Amino acid sequence: RKEVEQDPGPFNVPEGATVAFNCTYSNSASQSFFWYRQDCRKEPKLLMSVYSSGNEDGRFTAQLNRASQYISLLIRDSKLSDSATYLCVVKSTGRRALTFGSGTRLQVQP
Amino acid sequence: DGGITQSPKYLFRKEGQNVTLSCEQNLNHDAMYWYRQDPGQGLRLIYYSQIVNDFQKGDIAEGYSVSREKKESFPLTVTSAQKNPTAFYLCASSIDSSYSEPQHFGDGTRLSIL
Repeated sequence: RKEVEQDPGPFNVPEGATVAFNCTYSNSASQSFFWYRQDCRKEPKLLMSVYSSGNEDGRFTAQLNRASQYISLLIRDSKLSDSATYLCVVKSTGRRALTFGSGTRLQVQP
Repeated sequence: DGGITQSPKYLFRKEGQNVTLSCEQNLNHDAMYWYRQDPGQGLRLIYYSQIVNDFQKGDIAEGYSVSREKKESFPLTVTSAQKNPTAFYLCASSIDSSYSEPQHFGDGTRLSIL
């Protein structure tokens, strides 16, 4: 079983739609959680950290459920520029580097 | 501007050849990392370094080597022992390897076999 699992998609949504991605992690010792965005053939860029109480940044909302070991990302009012792959990323006790999911691809259509 | 610079952007390797990928950062970060990404897959950790003159193997270190002689530099050598080197290689750095510090990436090197 992969340490971080995501639905690869693609999620095809119209502009203005709300879309949500989930990610599950297997290591209960995971301490820090992030969402990264990766455009085609580019490097990943930090989108937002995920805090225990949930957090929002403009149209983006991240939630963490430690009991069920999953993280979610909600995007409201989707824009064409939101089209990208969204990587769920976890930092676990005993690991000095991040563990990446394979990503969920989002395609926002006009 | 502060950041991470990887070079070259594209690299071709001949059979039996070692090639070295450069990674330089001017962020004054202690920790540096190398990842490999294959199409449709997540990033996998090759090597990381928490401090100068120290580095540790990641999950897929076989066929690769690194050095960390200076804080700002962490070159990766893909040796001839790496039989499937074609991938997107990403270098990253963070202030340190503490739990909450996310990593920032260079713009990557694409390596292919000739």
